[in-house]
Amino acid sequence: DAGVIQSPRHEVTEMGQEVTLRCKPISGHDYLFWYRQTMMRGLELLIYFNNNVPIDDSGMPEDRFSAKMPNASFSTLKIQPSEPRDSAVYFCASSYMRVGSEAFFGQGTRLTVV
Amino acid sequence: DQQVKQNSPSLSVQEGRISILNCDYTNSMFDYFLWYKKYPAEGPTFLISISSIKDKNEDGRFTVFLNKSAKHLSLHIVPSQPGDSAVYFCAASASGGGADGLTFGKGTHLIIQP
Repeated sequence: DAGVIQSPRHEVTEMGQEVTLRCKPISGHDYLFWYRQTMMRGLELLIYFNNNVPIDDSGMPEDRFSAKMPNASFSTLKIQPSEPRDSAVYFCASSYMRVGSEAFFGQGTRLTVV
Repeated sequence: DQQVKQNSPSLSVQEGRISILNCDYTNSMFDYFLWYKKYPAEGPTFLISISSIKDKNEDGRFTVFLNKSAKHLSLHIVPSQPGDSAVYFCAASASGGGADGLTFGKGTHLIIQP
């Protein structure tokens, strides 16, 4: 397996624009997580899915953020409208268990909102 | 409030010596702990884990120690090598209730000096 694949690797957008980040988890993994990394807050869990169903989105900062998982091999994280404070590295991770197993991370998407 | 704390943002160690990275947690529901390693422009990669039923887990040069009464864990790397220079994240999860996914510390940047 190629591991968790995220696209794009880098995204620069203007404030107010819609941004869509994409993730392909490892095949066979039932759990998919979206994390955000900033200098101030480190790695924060935004939302996670189990068998394509969102389980906990309490980490999503506000209504401008939304995530979907239409099937087991694809998830999106959308920000609309984007703001400069959304600038961060966004990671997708997947695992085959909720606990007791490590999560495998993608390489991340570095988002810059100007 | 930070449930997983890594109080040392950076640590410098001479090649060949022991590196000790520390992590404290506050949530008594956490029962599984992991260390991740992260190189620049890459996603975190799993390094080693420990369940709360153990107090030590060893894998080659890496050993994780868990002190449940103190809510403290540490990662020992011996001997330290130049390739160990990276950011190390401590993470925790709870199997029986509490937040799902992994809760991360802010990371410690380990620098191995020749």
